[in-house]
Amino acid sequence: KAGVTQTPRYLIKTRGQQVTLSCSPISGHRSVSWYQQTPGQGLQFLFEYFSETQRNKGNFPGRFSGRQFSNSRSEMNVSTLELGDSALYLCASSLVASSGNTIYFGEGSWLTVV
Amino acid sequence: AQTVTQSQPEMSVQEAETVTLSCTYDTSESDYYLFWYKQPPSRQMILVIRQEAYKQQNATENRFSVNFQKAAKSFSLKISDSQLGDAAMYFCAYRSGGSTSGTYKYIFGTGTRLKVLA
Repeated sequence: KAGVTQTPRYLIKTRGQQVTLSCSPISGHRSVSWYQQTPGQGLQFLFEYFSETQRNKGNFPGRFSGRQFSNSRSEMNVSTLELGDSALYLCASSLVASSGNTIYFGEGSWLTVV
Repeated sequence: AQTVTQSQPEMSVQEAETVTLSCTYDTSESDYYLFWYKQPPSRQMILVIRQEAYKQQNATENRFSVNFQKAAKSFSLKISDSQLGDAAMYFCAYRSGGSTSGTYKYIFGTGTRLKVLA
């Protein structure tokens, strides 16, 4: 069974640009969540989607957005990039959006903003 | 607001020995879940063990076990017979049960880097 797949794995963007990251969950999983990992702030929850609806949201500005498609694939978008957005962005999937469900992480997308 | 604290930025253990990683959390909720995740150099987070707050029995997964002290809000991870492959960053995580609000946010600690010495 294929794991969580994130693309692209590495990318470099310029301040002010926007970026879209993609996440394909494990087959059969309907919930996808996103996390930002930085040396300074650690691991922070961004948002979670289930059945194409955002179910939970972390404390990030509106420049961070996401969506989920009918096949459960998810994308997150960051507009007007800032240097501080440089981070590892992790996606995770689970069967459903339930607190007790185990979530499975992808390998992440490394974003560098210059 | 819920918080998760890992007070040990780095720990070392000799191969085959036992090590305990500490985690404390703060919450006013009664329904929640606690997790330990391992992040090796590949950066892919891997679930090590999970504990339901309503269960008094400490979770165990092979060489990994937890000491869950609900009243003290403590959730430590014990790794027995440490192996070189255990070297990684370990994150303690809290997830609200969300039974009333429907929110299931994950909150992670800052991590403990475990070094295993041959």
